[in-house]
Order: sequence, then C-alpha cells, then structure tokens
Amino acid sequence: GAVVSQHPSRVICKSGTSVKIECRSLDFQATTMFWYRQFPKKSLMLMATSNEGSKATYEQGVEKDKFLINHASLTLSTLTVTSAHPEDSSFYICSARDHRTYNEQFFGPGTRLTVL
Amino acid sequence: AQKVTQAQTEISVVEKEDVTLDCVYETRDTTYYLFWYKQPPSGELVFLIRRNSFDEQNEISGRYSWNFQKSTSSFNFTITASQVVDSAVYFCAFVGGGGSNYKLTFGKGTLLTVNP
Repeated sequence: GAVVSQHPSRVICKSGTSVKIECRSLDFQATTMFWYRQFPKKSLMLMATSNEGSKATYEQGVEKDKFLINHASLTLSTLTVTSAHPEDSSFYICSARDHRTYNEQFFGPGTRLTVL
Repeated sequence: AQKVTQAQTEISVVEKEDVTLDCVYETRDTTYYLFWYKQPPSGELVFLIRRNSFDEQNEISGRYSWNFQKSTSSFNFTITASQVVDSAVYFCAFVGGGGSNYKLTFGKGTLLTVNP
C-alpha cells in the first residue's frame, strides 16, 4: 500500500521560533496533500489543501501567514509553523492523495509539536 | 454542507463482547464515499474501509463488519468478539461531490476501550 512519512515525529521548540514539518509520499506521486490539526481528544480539523506547484488552499479561520505550506514536488509538502506560540502545540497530520486511486487519502504518522 | 455525527463519545466494553460504533452522515450529494479509520494511542490513522454511495452491500472483514444504510444515512461499524488491541479512537469520515474535492470530513470520533 501507499506509504506517507512525516518528519519529525516529535518536536519541542521555544516560543517565537519557526518549525518545519515535512510530509513525503514514499512510493507514489501525490498531486494533492492535506494538512490536519488535532487537539487532544478531538477530531481532525483540515487546515489546508496543498496542490503541487500552486498555492495552498486554506480553510476558513486558518492563518496563511502563520502556517506556511509549500508543495514543491509530487512527493513532498512542508508545513512551517511561524513564530510558534504555546497555543500552536498540537498533533499535525498530513495525508496524500494517490492520483491512481482517485479518492484514497493515505495518512502520515503525525507530528507532535510542543511549544514551550 | 456535509456533516458526520458519531453520537457515542466513549464506549467501554469487556473483552469478547460485541460492540457497534454508530455513524450518521448528512449530505445532498448523490455520489459520495464513506470511510472508517482507527487511531490507536500512537496517533497514526489506520484505514479500515471505504464504501461508495452506490454500494450498499454490507462488508465483513474478520471480526469487523460494516452496515451501510442509505435510507437512514448511517454507516455503522461492528467489532465482534472485541479484544484489548481494539482499544482506540475510531473515526467515521465522508468525501462528497463524487470525491472531486477530495476533502475528508471527519466525525468527532468514538473512544473505544476494551477491558480485559
């Protein structure tokens, strides 16, 4: 099956710093990747849709300048949390759509961000 | 707008009991896909099943079975003879519009605890 990796799996940073999270599709090309955020004991909230070679589409209420998304290749999308604050602490999950299987989204293992 | 409701926030059972997780969805789309995912404590989402709106056949996979009823807009998930390893959060999810927008709408999840 299709494999999606995320790096890092855990990151702890100081308030005010920026953190970059990578999402890679390892054995397929992903024209579309999605970034989700999940608070403890809560559901997944879609933050943005990332299309290769174009600007990401952000969901309502998600700050574009805060959460920078880049999808420079068919196998890599990055999410940068800029000037992180404690309220940005969360579990971030990416998924990648396999164009061969139309509606199938494959999820990465997630990145747990803690901002001190 | 699409909506997925998982009315059961938490369920606790004793090992070997059968348990059914409910999922009700709302949509005006005639073509759509429904999913179930498992999220163990590690956080990684595990894909369990995808069902399209034209296929109302129930599905069985080992101890897992799914009951799709379009008439009641429900897609319930039953675990037979539950095991401790089944303990996880289970999410029901929806993709509408023929899947063309590819966006997954998740329910709030049901935390299943299987006690020995």
